[in-house]
Amino acid sequence: GIQVEQSPPDLILQEGANSTLRCNFSDSVNNLQWFHQNPWGQLINLFYIPSGTKQNGRLSATTVATERYSLLYISSSQTTDSGVYFCAVADTGGFKTIFGAGTRLFVKA
Amino acid sequence: DTGVSQNPRHKITKRGQNVTFRCDPISEHNRLYWYRQTLGQGPEFLTYFQNEAQLEKSRLLSDRFSAERPKGSFSTLEIQRTEQGDSAMYLCASSPGTEYQETQYFGPGTRLLVL
Repeated sequence: GIQVEQSPPDLILQEGANSTLRCNFSDSVNNLQWFHQNPWGQLINLFYIPSGTKQNGRLSATTVATERYSLLYISSSQTTDSGVYFCAVADTGGFKTIFGAGTRLFVKA
Repeated sequence: DTGVSQNPRHKITKRGQNVTFRCDPISEHNRLYWYRQTLGQGPEFLTYFQNEAQLEKSRLLSDRFSAERPKGSFSTLEIQRTEQGDSAMYLCASSPGTEYQETQYFGPGTRLLVL
């Protein structure tokens, strides 16, 4: 099955700093999503981005499907950005969604 | 649109007991997914429904686990003869079902502790 690797595993930022989170996947995918899991466990979808670039406020994401990676950019980080960021993909054969292990972000005030 | 809801939010049970969780998807969402998440890990896919049909099941879904979506609306996940290894967060998600692949919207989860 598809393997999903996220890096870095942990990240500590000073408020206001920028960061880039990476997601590598081992095979062609039909679906790629980025999620933020807050400290209470709620998963919030950030982007549905199987290819191309999208932006939403301080967040943007780029997926290069041919090279099997996606990047999530966080600019001007805030303490409320803390939590775990997950990349999730579904293979071309069905709807089984595979999550990476996540990047744990802590933003210091 | 009230979002995906799950009940109960927390469940403590003794080993060997049966438990049942409920998920109510966003209204008119045809697709429904169940996941399990253990501490420090990403969610693991368990099963997927298109309306009332269960179309995919993970090998993680042993014969002690069963999921239903009888009328294509809410879904239940039952675990029989619980084991301590079943302790986890059980997450439900739904999506509209109008495109081949779509954004999934997650509920708050049910946290299970098996003593």
